[in-house]
Formats: sequence, structure tokens, C-alpha cells
Amino acid sequence: AQSVTQLDSQVPVFEEAPVELRCNYSSSVSVYLFWYVQYPNQGLQLLLKYLSGSTLVKGINGFEAEFNKSQTSFHLRKPSVHISDTAEYFCAVSYNTDKLIFGTGTRLQVFP
Amino acid sequence: SAVISQKPSRDICQRGTSLTIQCQVDSQVTMMFWYRQQPGQSLTLIATANQGSEATYESGFVIDKFPISRPNLTFSTLTVSNMSPEDSSIYLCTTRLQTDTQYFGPGTRLTVL
Repeated sequence: AQSVTQLDSQVPVFEEAPVELRCNYSSSVSVYLFWYVQYPNQGLQLLLKYLSGSTLVKGINGFEAEFNKSQTSFHLRKPSVHISDTAEYFCAVSYNTDKLIFGTGTRLQVFP
Repeated sequence: SAVISQKPSRDICQRGTSLTIQCQVDSQVTMMFWYRQQPGQSLTLIATANQGSEATYESGFVIDKFPISRPNLTFSTLTVSNMSPEDSSIYLCTTRLQTDTQYFGPGTRLTVL
């Protein structure tokens, strides 16, 4: 079955520290991967996406993610977080269809 | 890009009643999708709505509970029928263009008492 797993439901981190949010997907020949962010009481915003090509994808707000086919992972990273990065982060996958399957989300809490 | 609007933006409904949510896209699109986000949860796909054919429902969702209409290439409705408090969620309409990017509507926040 097609699925996305976000291993960490919550990630607490201090401001200016690096962070990694983990995402694994069930294997498939062709896959598109996405990270979305949801700030409190707001809608979903696309952070970045991997469709093909370079496995290192850069997105908005200083985030980047690396597609690792052998490990079926698409972890999100930021070298130095800010208080304003506090939000819910969703990994999503599309298996050659138009519908997106979302992970359960990771709540990133940045402390001063 | 695509701009999606939804009506209503929020509603408070009584148990046993039904609510129809409207979704309008500013361009013609082939597929539209309806998602549900329960409080503190992730997004779950309810169904895919194609123009001119029956909607395709995901496991756990049935047409009697969530009937969907797709009368043209820019519009769709989702009805939440015979509501219970467990239906309290944000309902989102989305579509995807050739750019492989999914566009989300602002959502409809439903509270069932």
C-alpha cells in the first residue's frame, strides 16, 4: 500500500540550532515528494518538492530536503531555525497519480 | 497557478443535519480532490472528483455520507450528510495543474454540535 511515514510527531529545538524532520515513503518506481508547512490556524503552504533530477532540493525559508531512493527517504533540513519556523510540517507523496498522500505530520517547536 | 475559493469558510451545525461545501477554481481543471483534516491530525483524502464521472472514494469514505458533485471543470461540491460531532474537521478542496503542484483551497472549518 502507498504510505508516508513521519517518524517524529514532535521535534523541540532551540533557536539557531539545526533541525531534521524525517520522512519515509513506501517504495515505488516513480514518485514525487513534497513538504508542506502549516502555521497555526492557517492553510497549507508548499515548502519544496522533488519531481526529478538533483536529489538535493532547496525550498523557501532556508529549508532543503534530500531524496534518497535507496533508503526511500525525503528528510527535511534547516541549518539554523528561527522562532517563526514553529509550525506543523507535512511530508506528502504522489505515486504517478494526481492525488497526494500525506504523512501524519511533525510539530516543530522552536524555543528561544 | 490556480486560485481556489471555498464556501462557507466555517459553519456550526447541529447533529443529524447536512452541509454542502462549494469549491470554485479560477481555471479549468481535470481533477479536483477533497481532503479532511480532523483536529490535530493530518490530511486524509476523501475522494477524487472528475468532471463527467462518478467520484472515486478512498477506503473508509462512502458516497452516501459524502456525496460529491462535479458539474463542470471549475466547480465541485462536497456534502457532509447526517453529521455527527466526529465530522468536525476542516474540509479542503484541492486541484493539481500540469506543474505537478497541488493547490489548496482555504478550507471550510466545520463544527458539529
